[in-house]
Amino acid sequence: SAVISQKPSRDICQRGTSLTIQCQVDSQVTMMFWYRQQPGQSLTLIATANQGSEATYESGFVIDKFPISRPNLTFSTLTVSNMSPEDSSIYLCSVRQGFGNTIYFGEGSWLTVV
Amino acid sequence: AQTVTQSQPEMSVQEAETVTLSCTYDTSESDYYLFWYKQPPSRQMILVIRQEAYKQQNATENRFSVNFQKAAKSFSLKISDSQLGDAAMYFCAYRSTPPRDGSGSRLTFGEGTQLTVNP
Repeated sequence: SAVISQKPSRDICQRGTSLTIQCQVDSQVTMMFWYRQQPGQSLTLIATANQGSEATYESGFVIDKFPISRPNLTFSTLTVSNMSPEDSSIYLCSVRQGFGNTIYFGEGSWLTVV
Repeated sequence: AQTVTQSQPEMSVQEAETVTLSCTYDTSESDYYLFWYKQPPSRQMILVIRQEAYKQQNATENRFSVNFQKAAKSFSLKISDSQLGDAAMYFCAYRSTPPRDGSGSRLTFGEGTQLTVNP
């Protein structure tokens, strides 16, 4: 399976600021995904990022709030803009790879907005 | 739209014993994938086991096995010889079989079952 690294692993952010999360994969992958896990809840897909095209956002998520870059086949960033306490969540990068196109996850980035 | 339901918010098991976690799903599709993921306190999502819907044989990975009942839309996880390291949140997830263009790879997750392993 792919090795997926995320930075930062954890951060405390001030209300109104923006933070960019980086996701690095050790192999080339076509599709990368960003999920959000709010405290005590399950995971929700934010968007799908294909290299060379605009990210596709799920209902309830917009590009102005969660801009995504995908400059190459091994890297992606998610920015959480103008943060509020409601954005306090774990943000997980994931990729589709291998037999059965299984989805693998990075370690997650745990953001707390104060 | 597909939905995934885990009816057990919490479960506990004695070390070395066997525990079964329940998952049901709703779909109109005939071909899809089902997964169990484990999320320990580190928060990383770790794949435990995968089942292709077209396969009648239940998937097995060491101490982990599933009971896949396609007609009943049920996908339970059995953990045998439970170990302290098995303590985690377990999520059941559904994914459609994606078309060639890669769309439809969204995972739909259940709400999770928190497993405690007692020594």
